[in-house]
Amino acid sequence: GAVVSQHPSWVICKSGTSVKIECRSLDFQATTMFWYRQFPKQSLMLMATSNEGSKATYEQGVEKDKFLINHASLTLSTLTVTSAHPEDSSFYICSAGGAYEQYFGPGTRLTVT
Amino acid sequence: RKEVEQDPGPFNVPEGATVAFNCTYSNSASQSFFWYRQDCRKEPKLLMSVYSSGNEDGRFTAQLNRASQYISLLIRDSKLSDSATYLCVASGGNNRKLIWGLGTSLAVNP
Repeated sequence: GAVVSQHPSWVICKSGTSVKIECRSLDFQATTMFWYRQFPKQSLMLMATSNEGSKATYEQGVEKDKFLINHASLTLSTLTVTSAHPEDSSFYICSAGGAYEQYFGPGTRLTVT
Repeated sequence: RKEVEQDPGPFNVPEGATVAFNCTYSNSASQSFFWYRQDCRKEPKLLMSVYSSGNEDGRFTAQLNRASQYISLLIRDSKLSDSATYLCVASGGNNRKLIWGLGTSLAVNP
């Protein structure tokens, strides 16, 4: 199947700093990628849909100025958590694919201290 | 009401048991349905798509009832390695966005 990578796989940062997470489709082109967040013992929550060459579409309740998404090429989307706070600590996962299957990156575990 | 609802479990079963998970979805416009498996601290992995006619993949059988907006997953002859969280997923109205259930936790015991 298709491969999606994420980098970094885990990151610890101090409160107030910004963290950038990369999502790459390695063997296919993705005009659309999805960013999810998952808190412990909870399901995946879609944060935003990243569209190549245009603005991301954010889900209700997700602050677009805090979670900056850039999808500059057909194989790369980035999520930047700006001015991170401890409550932003979570597992961030991206996915790409079509209507019939989504391929997930391995996730990025963010811990904000 | 959640858009996709599952019994969170946990289900604790002995090896070799048959276990069934149920899921309901609220968006009648959903066209695609899936079961994903997620191991602790890992990303979800597609287990199987769910078709109206029902489909089977080895020990796993998935069924869809559109009239009742109900999806099921049956696991036969459970293995220790089946222990995971099983996520029921339905496509959103635009058929790309996926709506996730909270997952059902399964523990298969020796």
